[in-house]
Amino acid sequence: GAGVSQTPSNKVTEKGKYVELRCDPISGHTALYWYRQSLGQGPEFLIYFQGTGAADDSGLPNDRFFAVRPEGSVSTLKIQRTERGDSAVYLCASSLQGDRGDEQYFGPGTRLTVT
Amino acid sequence: QKEVEQNSGPLSVPEGAIASLNCTYSDRGSQSFFWYRQYSGKSPELIMSIYSNGDKEDGRFTAQLNKASQYVSLLIRDSQPSDSATYLCAVTNAGGTSYGKLTFGQGTILTVHP
Repeated sequence: GAGVSQTPSNKVTEKGKYVELRCDPISGHTALYWYRQSLGQGPEFLIYFQGTGAADDSGLPNDRFFAVRPEGSVSTLKIQRTERGDSAVYLCASSLQGDRGDEQYFGPGTRLTVT
Repeated sequence: QKEVEQNSGPLSVPEGAIASLNCTYSDRGSQSFFWYRQYSGKSPELIMSIYSNGDKEDGRFTAQLNKASQYVSLLIRDSQPSDSATYLCAVTNAGGTSYGKLTFGQGTILTVHP
């Protein structure tokens, strides 16, 4: 079946602009995660949704970052007033239920470059 | 101390050899452990999950878990050049409400040379 999809694959924006990154999880997966990966590092957790609600947003670096999942499927990560330090690959993953043992499957990522 | 630690490598092995990748974690209550493979410019791909002490084998891959030593490893038998990638160890933490949150190590770069 179809895997996790993310759009756009690449986004170049100017410092101070607003961006939206979209994630479409595997059909039937109730849990959705956002991670951020910088070069040479492992992915870093940002936020986790169980259904429509954000169960844990402790990884969001500051209030410029916000994410929604209004219908419990597609999620959008929103970044306001982008900074050059926001440049990274933003990864979305989904899992069946969000339990500790659930296997998470990643999308191809969105490479964000802030100039 | 980092929550999940891996030797960044690079680890270089000849084709046909066994590659051994290691990972330690600091949260003694961690319950679930995963190995991901990441090719350059691509996203992480799940290759193994392990939940209880001992070995788990899947084809050429064997994951080993020792909770007492807080250590998890991945063995790749009969290594192939196509196994050349970064291998990420990931752990789910014991407590809190974020049941599925993964904490990753920085990854080990593996190079298999012909």
